[in-house]
Amino acid sequence: ELKVEQNPLFLSMQEGKNYTIYCNYSTTSDRLYWYRQDPGKSLESLFVLLSNGAVKQEGRLMASLDTKARLSTLHITAAVHDLSATYFCAVDALSGNTPLVFGKGTRLSVIA
Amino acid sequence: DTAVSQTPKYLVTQMGNDKSIKCEQNLGHDTMYWYKQDSKKFLKIMFSYNNKELIINETVPNRFSPKSPDKAHLNLHINSLELGDSAVYFCASSQAPWRGDLSYEQYFGPGTRLTVT
Repeated sequence: ELKVEQNPLFLSMQEGKNYTIYCNYSTTSDRLYWYRQDPGKSLESLFVLLSNGAVKQEGRLMASLDTKARLSTLHITAAVHDLSATYFCAVDALSGNTPLVFGKGTRLSVIA
Repeated sequence: DTAVSQTPKYLVTQMGNDKSIKCEQNLGHDTMYWYKQDSKKFLKIMFSYNNKELIINETVPNRFSPKSPDKAHLNLHINSLELGDSAVYFCASSQAPWRGDLSYEQYFGPGTRLTVT
């Protein structure tokens, strides 16, 4: 059974700083998705990573996938308050009937 | 244009009542999902339908029954509501989860916040 672990679950960081959120998963997969959720809102797709070594960047966020290590990272560069949200990674199980397994989310708070 | 829509957005009801949540997608996707997000933000899949056929039915009480009249709609009916059913329910849709190169990124609706008193 595929398990997805994110860490940290809570992150408070100062504006202007860099940080990385980690997403580890337990079985083979080469498809991983990152979502953002603002308080009281829906989930918005950020990145789709479909192969080993995939790297995607959007503004101050960069996501990468290492399928051999079963690890994805979401790197935040020079954080700004607008990035405060909960970030979820989701991994394709590649077998069985459950297409995506979500991590528990990382609640990010960027403070001045 | 709204891609995945849900109604109602908020639902407050008493224990024991029966309620329904509706979901519609206009993305032309074959697969639709229901998720429950609890107070700790943990997202758990409940059901998935592919082209009106149930393909995932996670361990949820029998009181929850999904219905898909066509591939653009997936409704959730809940009988005999309990306090523990209070949560946000999200509908989502994607292309069919074939094991090929196709990414089946899921698109989420705005959510329905259910409060059972």
